[in-house]
Amino acid sequence: KQEVTQIPAALSVPEGENLVLNCSFTDSAIYNLQWFRQDPGKGLTSLLLIQSSQREQTSGRLNASLDKSSGRSTLYIAASQPGDSATYLCAVKGTGNQFYFGTGTSLTVIP
Amino acid sequence: DGGITQSPKYLFRKEGQNVTLSCEQNLNHDAMYWYRQDPGQGLRLIYYSQIVNDFQKGDIAEGYSVSREKKESFPLTVTSAQKNPTAFYLCASSSGTQETQYFGPGTRLLVL
Repeated sequence: KQEVTQIPAALSVPEGENLVLNCSFTDSAIYNLQWFRQDPGKGLTSLLLIQSSQREQTSGRLNASLDKSSGRSTLYIAASQPGDSATYLCAVKGTGNQFYFGTGTSLTVIP
Repeated sequence: DGGITQSPKYLFRKEGQNVTLSCEQNLNHDAMYWYRQDPGQGLRLIYYSQIVNDFQKGDIAEGYSVSREKKESFPLTVTSAQKNPTAFYLCASSSGTQETQYFGPGTRLLVL
């Protein structure tokens, strides 16, 4: 069974800093990997989807990379803002039909 | 507006009671999912459906049931057999099982 790990569990940074969130998975036979944002008590908002054939995806200040062979993905956030404060989750779709989620990284951007 | 709606936002269950959580989408998506979220455990899949009148169990289906009679609707029933139902329940949909998942706002279930 796929295991997805996100480290660190929590991160605090000053406004304006660039940061990297990490996601690792145990089974490299994946179809895609998706990064989500979750605000407290809310549903998940999709940020980026990387297909297994891709190395990275970019949207605005966000850049996600995928290294299937090492079982890792990173989410890079440039010039962080207080509005970026949220929990960030990664999810991996394997050969079955379900996503496996990490437990998330809680990000706080300090003004 | 296209999207996924879940109701109610909060739901209270008494001992021995079955309760049903609603999930509706107007995105014309074929696939729909139900997840349970507990603090510190991430999301776990309860059931998913790839097409009308078909659904499969996820990792934690025991104590839950679903139906998919219409493309836009995928209700989840939490039965009395689910002994620890307190959690945040999230519904999602996608145009296919390989595509981006879109989530509803969630329902928080509490036990009285």
